[in-house]
Amino acid sequence: DTEVTQTPKHLVMGMTNKKSLKCEQHMGHRAMYWYKQKAKKPPELMFVYSYEKLSINESVPSRFSPECPNSSLLNLHLHALQPEDSALYLCASSQTRGETQYFGPGTRLLVL
Amino acid sequence: AQSVTQPDIHITVSEGASLELRCNYSYGATPYLFWYVQSPGQGLQLLLKYFSGDTLVQGIKGFEAEFKRSQSSFNLRKPSVHWSDAAEYFCAVGGGKLIFGQGTELSVKP
Repeated sequence: DTEVTQTPKHLVMGMTNKKSLKCEQHMGHRAMYWYKQKAKKPPELMFVYSYEKLSINESVPSRFSPECPNSSLLNLHLHALQPEDSALYLCASSQTRGETQYFGPGTRLLVL
Repeated sequence: AQSVTQPDIHITVSEGASLELRCNYSYGATPYLFWYVQSPGQGLQLLLKYFSGDTLVQGIKGFEAEFKRSQSSFNLRKPSVHWSDAAEYFCAVGGGKLIFGQGTELSVKP
């Protein structure tokens, strides 16, 4: 089973809201990733967690705050977002960093 | 610098025709190479990967890809395209940090 799940599927939020995206995998993977994807573009890496520790932060604005509560869960906390943050947010996981990444279905985020 | 180039932004093929999507990479070491497919509004699905060994790699849905070190290429092929293959295809290289090409959008004519 190579399933990564993400909730919610769709999210609409105002610029003053606080919301969270959730990602879960039960494959025993120890690396998890957040990507942002704009329309007609490839995914852009935001964060990488390895063994529940943040190992890569691609200079993402502080209004995005990742959290890895345990090896199966990855959250992305959102606060004071801008309309240009509207995108598809993808979560991925891999056995360890450097191994094949498996992606979830994504959360479509619209910031009004 | 590490990079991936997919020269074709959009390709249209007839159903039943063969398909080849091109991918060229620039990478310092022996690369890990991947092809992913993405249907509209969906996540990325892994089609196949190359780490080492046999340079012709078989994937899911009847796809295959050939690694050619001398040409720095990893082209994706399918002998007979189905309408359901219409999607965006991404070539990627790397390990801990994937580097994606810009993608090739495939349209299938009936």
